[in-house]
Amino acid sequence: SQTIHQWPATLVQPVGSPLSLECTVEGTSNPNLYWYRQAAGRGLQLLFYSVGIGQISSEVPQNLSASRPQDRQFILSSKKLLLSDSGFYLCAWSVTGWWTEAFFGQGTRLTVV
Amino acid sequence: GQQVMQIPQYQHVQEGEDFTTYCNSSTTLSNIQWYKQRPGGHPVFLIQLVKSGEVKKQKRLTFQFGEAKKNSSLHITATQTTDVGTYFCAGRGTNAGKSTFGDGTTLTVKP
Repeated sequence: SQTIHQWPATLVQPVGSPLSLECTVEGTSNPNLYWYRQAAGRGLQLLFYSVGIGQISSEVPQNLSASRPQDRQFILSSKKLLLSDSGFYLCAWSVTGWWTEAFFGQGTRLTVV
Repeated sequence: GQQVMQIPQYQHVQEGEDFTTYCNSSTTLSNIQWYKQRPGGHPVFLIQLVKSGEVKKQKRLTFQFGEAKKNSSLHITATQTTDVGTYFCAGRGTNAGKSTFGDGTTLTVKP
């Protein structure tokens, strides 16, 4: 069966520090991968999505970047965090094909102080 | 761009009462998905609707897709405390093809 791993679960980082969140998927090949951010009490904002290795599409201009070095690995990064980067970050995958049902990781709650 | 609105934002019910959340899109959708997120948890896929006028049931949950494929609803009959959480719809546009999430409806159930 397919599983998705996302870590860490919680993270407290000072303003100006770098960020690296990692997500891996097991049990499937060539998945579509997504990074979402969820502000408190709000819906999910799509940040990045990827349909293959090295293929990244950015949805909103921001202080973040994403990379997909391997088929089932998706990384969210920042060189210098801002206070506004705080939130709940969720990685998700779906089967190849456009915008089928998404399976979410456990999420990372990031607080920038 | 495509906008997906959900109402109400919050709903408080007594256990045993019914609950309905509505999802409205500014554009015609190719499909709509519903997710449930428990407090402190991550969204979990519930169902996908594709056809105009489609109705699907999962035990006490009934999902509908409007005839014009621009709106959808989720109805829970006789709520239970296990139904607590935030329910999100995600509508996929016909052109760009990307899914847009609504802001969700948060349901609390008083025992």
